[in-house]
Amino acid sequence: GENVEQHPSTLSVQEGDSAVIKCTYSDSASNYFPWYKQELGKRPQLIIDIRSNVGEKKDQRIAVTLNKTAKHFSLHITETQPEDSAVYFCAAVIIQGAQKLVFGQGTRLTINP
Amino acid sequence: DTAVSQTPKYLVTQMGNDKSIKCEQNLGHDTMYWYKQDSKKFLKIMFSYNNKELIINETVPNRFSPKSPDKAHLNLHINSLELGDSAVYFCASSQYMRPSTDTQYFGPGTRLTVL
Repeated sequence: GENVEQHPSTLSVQEGDSAVIKCTYSDSASNYFPWYKQELGKRPQLIIDIRSNVGEKKDQRIAVTLNKTAKHFSLHITETQPEDSAVYFCAAVIIQGAQKLVFGQGTRLTINP
Repeated sequence: DTAVSQTPKYLVTQMGNDKSIKCEQNLGHDTMYWYKQDSKKFLKIMFSYNNKELIINETVPNRFSPKSPDKAHLNLHINSLELGDSAVYFCASSQYMRPSTDTQYFGPGTRLTVL
């Protein structure tokens, strides 16, 4: 399969609170899971990624967790700030044939001041 | 940051016309991609090229024809444009052709509107 499901599609949190976005994937051979942030009218930019040999990775206020058994991974943003408002995409590498990135549907995160 | 650049940024055209979008990367990468982002923000790969060779060709209508004159350039030509082609088209590049290890860097996008 080549599906990556992402939830929720929209998320609104108060500034300073945490935000969590979850993704599931179908290809059990997937071994790389990047997260991209896309601000309005801009290009997607990589913010953090995780490989299948680790369960968690953290970079300042952003962390990603991976559960290979359950085939799901999550993005955690703590102490949210207004500049965190954007659309976030998870992705998984599909290994069948030529490798490619398959993206989730995106989550529009809004930080309320 | 002009590592991956695209032209034009906006393209408005009539149904039935033929148009091209150009992409260039100055990162020295071997692999380039075209993605389509529809009105619901869904981002999907269309093509990938590695060192001028077509690697991935998703189920894209043959009205779309990518061309890679050299590994730093990947252009997208679209014939007989249809309303459903309206979207933002992103070019991307990566060092090699292994998405599992190579970060993809996106261009600024081209917003295509077909009237």
